[in-house]
Amino acid sequence: DQQVKQNSPSLSVQEGRISILNCDYTNSMFDYFLWYKKYPAEGPTFLISISSIKDKNEDGRFTVFLNKSAKHLSLHIVPSQPGDSAVYFCAARPSGGATNKLIFGTGTLLAVQP
Amino acid sequence: DVKVTQSSRYLVKRTGEKVFLECVQDMDHENMFWYRQDPGLGLRLIYFSYDVKMKEKGDIPEGYSVSREKKERFSLILESASTNQTSMYLCASSFGPIYEAFFGQGTRLTVV
Repeated sequence: DQQVKQNSPSLSVQEGRISILNCDYTNSMFDYFLWYKKYPAEGPTFLISISSIKDKNEDGRFTVFLNKSAKHLSLHIVPSQPGDSAVYFCAARPSGGATNKLIFGTGTLLAVQP
Repeated sequence: DVKVTQSSRYLVKRTGEKVFLECVQDMDHENMFWYRQDPGLGLRLIYFSYDVKMKEKGDIPEGYSVSREKKERFSLILESASTNQTSMYLCASSFGPIYEAFFGQGTRLTVV
């Protein structure tokens, strides 16, 4: 049973426009959410995170929004650049764990067209 | 910068072989993880370790085992490789429960 879902396998956006990547979760016991970016033949790299006690976190062109009542988070990239083309994974951490075990979504392939 | 290094980028093994995937991190991280990535399934946790000689099963441990004899090294073992274990394997490490995980570059394993 997929606890973290990314329902859009792919997204295509024009350079300079906003990219919005979505993620839904089913477990209310997650306390921390993260976004990772992955290029082909490389490991994922950390992008941005948000604690469950917040509803927004911003870092340069990247903003993550968390809607706890809807169990939904989104990643906004503004403005989008061709170098942003990659697979984006959202991840959630179960609360109360002693480790940093993460549960990942299935990923969304973002293509930014020049 | 944190560095997580996986011993091989690409591996081709035969069905039934015992396969070792090695991972080393250089930042004294307590936690280490093995994931596999498959199209449409995302990253799925195989095993993780929160201390030397300590290990816990993840979501898909069947057919795998792990070893952590030293803090910096975490090995994934395929006891008898099968074709359904053809995948991208990703190792990760993290310092503690509030820090993000850092990933290695991945090992593309093909079992023929």
